[in-house]
Amino acid sequence: LAKTTQPISMDSYEGQEVNITCSHNNIATNDYITWYQQFPSQGPRFIIQGYKTKVTNEVASLFIPADRKSSTLSLPRVSLSDTAVYYCLVGDMYQTGANNLFFGTGTRLTVIP
Amino acid sequence: GAGVSQSPRYKVAKRGQDVALRCDPISGHVSLFWYQQALGQGPEFLTYFQNEAQLDKSGLPSDRFFAERPEGSVSTLKIQRTQQEDSAVYLCASSPGTATYNEQFFGPGTRLTVL
Repeated sequence: LAKTTQPISMDSYEGQEVNITCSHNNIATNDYITWYQQFPSQGPRFIIQGYKTKVTNEVASLFIPADRKSSTLSLPRVSLSDTAVYYCLVGDMYQTGANNLFFGTGTRLTVIP
Repeated sequence: GAGVSQSPRYKVAKRGQDVALRCDPISGHVSLFWYQQALGQGPEFLTYFQNEAQLDKSGLPSDRFFAERPEGSVSTLKIQRTQQEDSAVYLCASSPGTATYNEQFFGPGTRLTVL
């Protein structure tokens, strides 16, 4: 059972802020929200993780509303090197399995010069 | 420092052959995961180790798939009697703690092509 829904693809111009929203209507109390980035021919790379409100690190921000039924990954001032597939995962901190570590098909972001 | 490494990076097998894929996790990482990624899809969970114990193998698609991590470090994913549908990239990831949802560090993957 898919736990997340995100757009299949997005395009953005260089220098713009990009927001990718992920829907997770059935999020459980113990679930965290994690985003990964994957370039072609590479394994995914962790971007950011959060439980509620806002989390910011050196590469991105993660916005989570109070009901936690969605989350938005924000990439400031994207460059061509940000062209990649972005995955939203929702799962329990101490569970494994296909449902808990569900990557889906992700959002393919293309940054245009 | 060194990241997760996987070998071989590419493997071509004839249908029916057995293959073994190796993962060298980051030194000291307790948790190790294997994923299968088909073309155009996201990674799909196969199995999880905590040290040498295989705690979850619910994602292994058939009994032809077998994974081990005998000394709690290097892991091997073995596929017996390979089929064309086994063609995919096999990713290994490791994580320092036992909380399975913490940051996972992925290797570059092994691309398996079954002819």
